[in-house]
Amino acid sequence: AQSVTQPDIHITVSEGASLELRCNYSYGATPYLFWYVQSPGQGLQLLLKYFSGDTLVQGIKGFEAEFKRSQSSFNLRKPSVHWSDAAEYFCAVAPSTDSWGKFQFGAGTQVVVTP
Amino acid sequence: DAGVTQSPTHLIKTRGQQVTLRCSPKSGHDTVSWYQQALGQGPQFIFQYYEEEERQRGNFPDRFSGHQFPNYSSELNVNALLLGDSALYLCASSRGMNTEAFFGQGTRLTVV
Repeated sequence: AQSVTQPDIHITVSEGASLELRCNYSYGATPYLFWYVQSPGQGLQLLLKYFSGDTLVQGIKGFEAEFKRSQSSFNLRKPSVHWSDAAEYFCAVAPSTDSWGKFQFGAGTQVVVTP
Repeated sequence: DAGVTQSPTHLIKTRGQQVTLRCSPKSGHDTVSWYQQALGQGPQFIFQYYEEEERQRGNFPDRFSGHQFPNYSSELNVNALLLGDSALYLCASSRGMNTEAFFGQGTRLTVV
């Protein structure tokens, strides 16, 4: 069955430390890949997306993600976390352009930033 | 630019009742998708509207229905509400079906 897995439900990181959020997918072919962030009381904001080409993708707010086909992974990273990065992060996939908008989301990873 | 707006922000309904949620897409957008986000879970796709027609649908029962108006705004209707329908309902809009989707802040529905 097709699936998106975020293994870490909750991550605590110190301000200024690096952050890596994991995402694994299970699809027949490489889907289109996305990372979204959701702050309390807010909707989802797109951080970055991968369609094809360079496997290292740069996004907003200093985030980047690396697509690894051999591992079916699309992990999100930030070198130095700010207190404002505390939020919930969702990995999402769209299986094809025909299914665009029919995103399948992971369960999310809650990020807590400590002083 | 107002972005994607949803109304109401919060709603409490009784089991068995019907509810209508509304979404106004971002200016210039013509495609609207609806998602259900239960507490502690990721959003789940309900359906997508484009050119006033339902184009794609997720695994939701027929109690969930929708509509898109000529001005591209959309409604989500849920009949015979169940306690399990309690969730945050998110609307996302895009220009066409293959471009970046922008999400609204959602409507928090509580069924008691």
